Amino acid sequence: AQSVSQHNHHVILSEAASLELGCNYSYGGTVNLFWYVQYPGQHLQLLLKYFSGDPLVKGIKGFEAEFIKSKFSFNLRKPSVQWSDTAEYFCAVNGDTGRRALTFGSGTRLQVQP
Amino acid sequence: NAGVTQTPKFRVLKTGQSMTLLCAQDMNHEYMYWYRQDPGMGLRLIHYSVGEGTTAKGEVPDGYNVSRLKKQNFLLGLESAAPSQTSVYFCASSFRLAVYEQYFGPGTRLTVT
Repeated sequence: AQSVSQHNHHVILSEAASLELGCNYSYGGTVNLFWYVQYPGQHLQLLLKYFSGDPLVKGIKGFEAEFIKSKFSFNLRKPSVQWSDTAEYFCAVNGDTGRRALTFGSGTRLQVQP
Repeated sequence: NAGVTQTPKFRVLKTGQSMTLLCAQDMNHEYMYWYRQDPGMGLRLIHYSVGEGTTAKGEVPDGYNVSRLKKQNFLLGLESAAPSQTSVYFCASSFRLAVYEQYFGPGTRLTVT
């Protein structure tokens, strides 16, 4: 079975600080990886995705993530956060199991202080 | 486009009561999903559907039933609610050829007392 771990449950940063949120998955086969974001009072929305190719993927709003296969990781980064980045961030994975659904991590709540 | 909508937004039930949550999407998506979100556990898949008239179990299907009579609607039923079903329920949908780009609804917060 595949699983996703997000070790940072709650992160508090000041504006302009750099961000890195950890995501590790457990699955030995081919994986597709995703970061979703849920802004306060809004729907979950896709931030970025990795299917294949360049392991460094760029998403919306200046976010990027790096797939490191040897570490089973897909960490999310942003060089300089803004107050508007306050949200909950979910990492998700789908392996080549044939299951047509995502497995989500438990989420990381990011609070950016002005 | 309204995207994915869910009704109701909030509900309080007593143990043993039943209810149905409605999800509707206007994007002509083939696939639809029901998740529950609990603190510290992320989103867990309850049931999903790959097309009208077809449903399948996810990770945590016990205590729930679903129906997809029309392509645009996906209903989640609780026949006899239990306090363990207190949660936030999210519906999502996607195209068949892009199943992992899921579009989510705003959620339904359900409390069972």
